Amino acid sequence: GAVVSQHPSRVICKSGTSVKIECRSLDFQATTMFWYRQFPKKSLMLMATSNEGSKATYEQGVEKDKFLINHASLTLSTLTVTSAHPEDSSFYICSARTSGSSGEQFFGPGTRLTVL
Amino acid sequence: DAKTTQPTSMDCAEGRAANLPCNHSTISGNEYVYWYRQIHSQGPQYIIHGLKNNETNEMASLIITEDRKSSTLILPHATLRDTAVYYCIAHSPSSGSARQLTFGSGTQLTVLP
Repeated sequence: GAVVSQHPSRVICKSGTSVKIECRSLDFQATTMFWYRQFPKKSLMLMATSNEGSKATYEQGVEKDKFLINHASLTLSTLTVTSAHPEDSSFYICSARTSGSSGEQFFGPGTRLTVL
Repeated sequence: DAKTTQPTSMDCAEGRAANLPCNHSTISGNEYVYWYRQIHSQGPQYIIHGLKNNETNEMASLIITEDRKSSTLILPHATLRDTAVYYCIAHSPSSGSARQLTFGSGTQLTVLP
């Protein structure tokens, strides 16, 4: 199957700082990427849908000014957690969808964010 | 996506078949049944999907009832590395918009030595 990578895999930062997470589709072009968040022992919750060349669509309750998403190319989307706080500590997972009417969705390995 | 219902947890002996059920009684005609699994602290991994017919690949088999209201994922010879949360998702990939997969609670499968 297609490969999606994330970087970094793990990050620890101080409260108030910003953290950028990269999501790349390695062997296919993805016009659409998704960002999920997962708290311990909980399921994945969609945060936003990222479309190449346009603004991201955020789910209800997700602050767009706090979670900045950029999808500048067909293989790269970035999520920036601005002014991070301890409650932002979570497992962030990106997903990329292949093109076409029956596009499959492939997931990255996730990024563990810990805000001190 | 139609709602799916799965048991919270299941155990399976190593080497035996693991049969994971899923109910999706409100599934619509254009929705496929997808199965993903998530090993602890990793991203979800695609397993298999199907529409009406039973499907088999190198990882698992998917049995869908004739009325499509339920399905069973079968791991024929479970190993310790199959311990994970298994998600059953009813989803239409050709909705015309960039619709994402919606995850429920899944089934925690624990393979016991």
